[in-house]
Amino acid sequence: AQTVTQSQPEMSVQEAETVTLSCTYDTSESDYYLFWYKQPPSRQMILVIRQEAYKQQNATENRFSVNFQKAAKSFSLKISDSQLGDAAMYFCAYKLGRGDYKLSFGAGTTVTVRA
Amino acid sequence: NAGVTQTPKFQVLKTGQSMTLQCAQDMNHEYMSWYRQDPGMGLRLIHYSVGAGITDQGEVPNGYNVSRSTTEDFPLRLLSAAPSQTSVYFCASRAGTGPYYGYTFGSGTRLTVV
Repeated sequence: AQTVTQSQPEMSVQEAETVTLSCTYDTSESDYYLFWYKQPPSRQMILVIRQEAYKQQNATENRFSVNFQKAAKSFSLKISDSQLGDAAMYFCAYKLGRGDYKLSFGAGTTVTVRA
Repeated sequence: NAGVTQTPKFQVLKTGQSMTLQCAQDMNHEYMSWYRQDPGMGLRLIHYSVGAGITDQGEVPNGYNVSRSTTEDFPLRLLSAAPSQTSVYFCASRAGTGPYYGYTFGSGTRLTVV
């Protein structure tokens, strides 16, 4: 199984400020996908953003953006202008390229937003 | 409503009891999978299926059985529950083809084995 590491169990951010979540992964493959999922207290898993390894441009979805460093095997998530609704557990996940279906998840980072 | 439906949402079992967690999707997705979520460990793959009649083991398959007789349903069976199986269980599905590899997750089942 691929290894996905999230080294920050918890992060706290002031409302309207920016927070960055770290994720590193271990793979010898060149074709793969990376994801960030959000899990609010409702337990629902919500896809925040995805990145294809073959794309050099970092993915962006509104206030969420990633810093994808392929050589360093790093995939951090930046949440800008943090809102109270951003409070949740965030999981980094890895999937091998075409022909594979399995997701490998990191341990998660709990984000708290201070009003 | 289209999506992945898991039942029950909560369950308490006694050690040694058996039960089946249900998962159904109405999106005609080929791929379905079961994960368990434990504190500090993220989600770990238990079993998965790439189509009706085809199943395979994931990272933590011991103590669980699955079958896939239809495209829509992918039940997870605990044959003899153990306290170590206390966890939150998620079912997820996705289409087998297409340029976007998005997964749809169910809302989870919280299982407690006493």
